[in-house]
This record gives sequence, structure tokens and C-alpha cells, in this order.
Amino acid sequence: KAGVTQTPRYLIKTRGQQVTLSCSPISGHRSVSWYQQTPGQGLQFLFEYFSETQRNKGNFPGRFSGRQFSNSRSEMNVSTLELGDSALYLCASSLDYYSYEQYFGPGTRLTVT
Amino acid sequence: AQSVAQPEDQVKVAEGNPLTVKCTYSVSGNPYLFWYVQYPNRGLQFLLKYITGDNLVKGSYGFEAEFNKSQTSFHLKKPSALVSDSALYFCAVRDGAGNTPLVFGKGTRLSVIA
Repeated sequence: KAGVTQTPRYLIKTRGQQVTLSCSPISGHRSVSWYQQTPGQGLQFLFEYFSETQRNKGNFPGRFSGRQFSNSRSEMNVSTLELGDSALYLCASSLDYYSYEQYFGPGTRLTVT
Repeated sequence: AQSVAQPEDQVKVAEGNPLTVKCTYSVSGNPYLFWYVQYPNRGLQFLLKYITGDNLVKGSYGFEAEFNKSQTSFHLKKPSALVSDSALYFCAVRDGAGNTPLVFGKGTRLSVIA
């Protein structure tokens, strides 16, 4: 089975721009979560989706948004980028909701200049 | 709100020696506990989980973890460390009582010295 895929793998954007990151879960997985990883803050939870419904949202400003499609693929969008948004964005999928382990993609490295 | 603590930023052990990476947690309900490992420039890989049942959980690559409810701990262990085990290890917890996200610890960097 193919693993979680994330596109693009690397991205350089300018302050004020917006960006959309994409995640394709493992086939058959219905839950997708997003995390921001930085050296100083570690892994910070962004969103969790299950069957196209957002089940949980982390403490991030409204500039961060996401969605899940009927095929379980997910996107996250960051508008009006700030320098502090530079991070590794990780997507993870799980077979079902809550007690199941998450499988992570390789991440998208976003650099904001 | 649930939380997880990994008290050691870094652990160093000699190859062949046993290793322990510590994790303590706080939840209001029963905990769902996970360990993940991250190698350089890669995403996290699932190692093992505890949801219910036996307190000793066995996982990938010879790792195991012991759930201790009274001490609210879930330490990761391996009887004999390998140089290839050197990586960043994350403990994560979810509160079984409600609809809350998976919360990760800050991570512990394990270095196994030949």
C-alpha cells in the first residue's frame, strides 16, 4: 500500500502570500490530521478531519484553514503568510477515528521570506 | 486538557545497552498512548500504542513500552540499543473520555554510541 503523500515537498513563499498544501491519505483511511513542526515549539496540532467533518481544531489563527474531500484527501490553506509560519507541515492519516494510530507523510517544508 | 511530558531532551546510551525514554501524561479519562520515531528529514513513524489490555506493549523494531496508571507513565524501552535507533522519539496521548486531539510531547533525542 502506498503511504501518505504530501505535495509539494518544498515551498518558498513571500510574506503576505497564501499557500495551499495537499495530503493524500493511505487508501481506506478516513481520518486526516495536520500538524506544524518547528524546532522551538515541537509538534503543534492544527486540524483533524473525519468523513469530511472537522472534528478538532488547534489554537492557530483563522489564517489557517483546512478541508477534507469525499475521497478523504485533504488540503490546508494559510493566507497572509508571516515569517513565523515557516515550518514543516505534517499530514497524518488513520484508518478510523480516535483510538487508531496515525501514519505520517514526509511533510511539506514551507519557508516564508 | 490533556498533556504529555518527556522530561529528557536528550538520552545517550552505548550500543548493546538497554535504553529507556521517559514519558508521563495527564488526561481526565482513560489514556490512549502512542510512541512515534522521527528520523532526519522524514515524517514520524508509528512504533506502538496502548489503548487497553496488557500493561506491557510490544511494538516495531524490538521496542516495548509499559503503561503504569498509578505513575501516569508510558516509558519506551529496548533491551539492547542499536546505533540505528538514534533518532527523535515522541510520546503522544489522547483522552479516551472525549473528543480531543492527539497531543505530542516535545520529543527526546536518542543517541546510541558505538
